[in-house]
Amino acid sequence: GEDVEQSLFLSVREGDSSVINCTYTDSSSTYLYWYKQEPGAGLQLLTYIFSNMDMKQDQRLTVLLNKKDKHLSLRIADTQTGDSAIYFCAESIRDDKIIFGKGTRLHILP
Amino acid sequence: GAGVSQSPRYKVTKRGQDVALRCDPISGHVSLYWYRQALGQGPEFLTYFNYEAQQDKSGLPNDRFSAERPEGSISTLTIQRTEQRDSAMYRCASSFGQGRLEQYFGPGTRLTVT
Repeated sequence: GEDVEQSLFLSVREGDSSVINCTYTDSSSTYLYWYKQEPGAGLQLLTYIFSNMDMKQDQRLTVLLNKKDKHLSLRIADTQTGDSAIYFCAESIRDDKIIFGKGTRLHILP
Repeated sequence: GAGVSQSPRYKVTKRGQDVALRCDPISGHVSLYWYRQALGQGPEFLTYFNYEAQQDKSGLPNDRFSAERPEGSISTLTIQRTEQRDSAMYRCASSFGQGRLEQYFGPGTRLTVT
């Protein structure tokens, strides 16, 4: 079936790197996404990766995709207090439908 | 407009009433999606449109839920005879479609059924 799993919480010290991990089940995924949700705000598309890519870098963000293991990760370099949010991993499957994980709450320690 | 807009932002209704939630997608976006997000969960797919055609409504929970997009732009999600379990954030997203699958979300409508 279709399922996206991610850990619910992550605490990181300011200035360190954050790595948020995700696993998915549908091998026919076309895109894999990371969305950010700040308190009281909408979902912001952070970055996405095509399923035929291994890595994508965008400023402080690095996305790694291991298609064999169906594992996706998001690395945030030099984590700042403004990065505190819930991060959703998601996959798009047939017919453009997106399946979301439950979200990882990133907490920044001073 | 610059982004996806939704109205109302907040809706409180009594059990048994009908509600209509509106979504205005990004101009030029072909595809429009509706999701429901319960507290502490990720968004859950409800239905989506390409232009005015409803392509997939497999996520609609039951026949009290319906959606339309008659002119291929603005969409309305209608919930009839609301129940307390319908309380959630209802989110709309749009994309260019046709291979450009990045979905951009609106701010959502928080529905509370009392």
